[in-house]
Amino acid sequence: EAGVAQSPRYKIIEKRQSVAFWCNPISGHATLYWYQQILGQGPKLLIQFQNNGVVDDSQLPKDRFSAERLKGVDSTLKIQPAKLEDSAVYLCASSEQGYYNEQFFGPGTRLTVL
Amino acid sequence: GNSVTQMEGPVTLSEEAFLTINCTYTATGYPSLFWYVQYPGEGLQLLLKATKADDKGSNKGFEATYRKETTSFHLEKGSVQVSDSAVYFCALSGPNTGNQFYFGTGTSLTVIP
Repeated sequence: EAGVAQSPRYKIIEKRQSVAFWCNPISGHATLYWYQQILGQGPKLLIQFQNNGVVDDSQLPKDRFSAERLKGVDSTLKIQPAKLEDSAVYLCASSEQGYYNEQFFGPGTRLTVL
Repeated sequence: GNSVTQMEGPVTLSEEAFLTINCTYTATGYPSLFWYVQYPGEGLQLLLKATKADDKGSNKGFEATYRKETTSFHLEKGSVQVSDSAVYFCALSGPNTGNQFYFGTGTSLTVIP
């Protein structure tokens, strides 16, 4: 079974530039999550999708971050414009619908904002 | 609210030493508890989980018991190996969290030969 795919693996940009990350979840997984993991901290949920609808985006900085999952499969997360404090690893995870289900994580995208 | 508190690291042990990483939680209702492991350069992987009080999760020699009375889920291993060097995250999730996961800050473990 293929795992969660993410690209790119690494990205370096200058502040005020834009960047986009892509995630393809495990086939059949209805729930998709984007997390931000700052160095030395645990993952922080940015947004959770159930199929193509948003379940929770309360911690997404909506003035600069946006995410979509148009067909209920793959997803993109965009930052526009980027700030220095956005430097982090962005993790995508997916799970089957329902409670207590394991989340499967992709390898992450390491973003460095200069 | 929901939160997870882990012991701070980093932790450095010699091979074959006993490992304990403490984790306590605050939650409404009865969440499931998880330990995830993150090897260098990789995403998080589920190590073990427990879905109700007194359950013991185990995998690869690691164990953790869901203690409702002490709101704890401490991770233990009797004899660590160099290959266990990684960052370990305690997490909770459940119906009262909308299936959202709450992660601790992680504990870095280095095992030296």
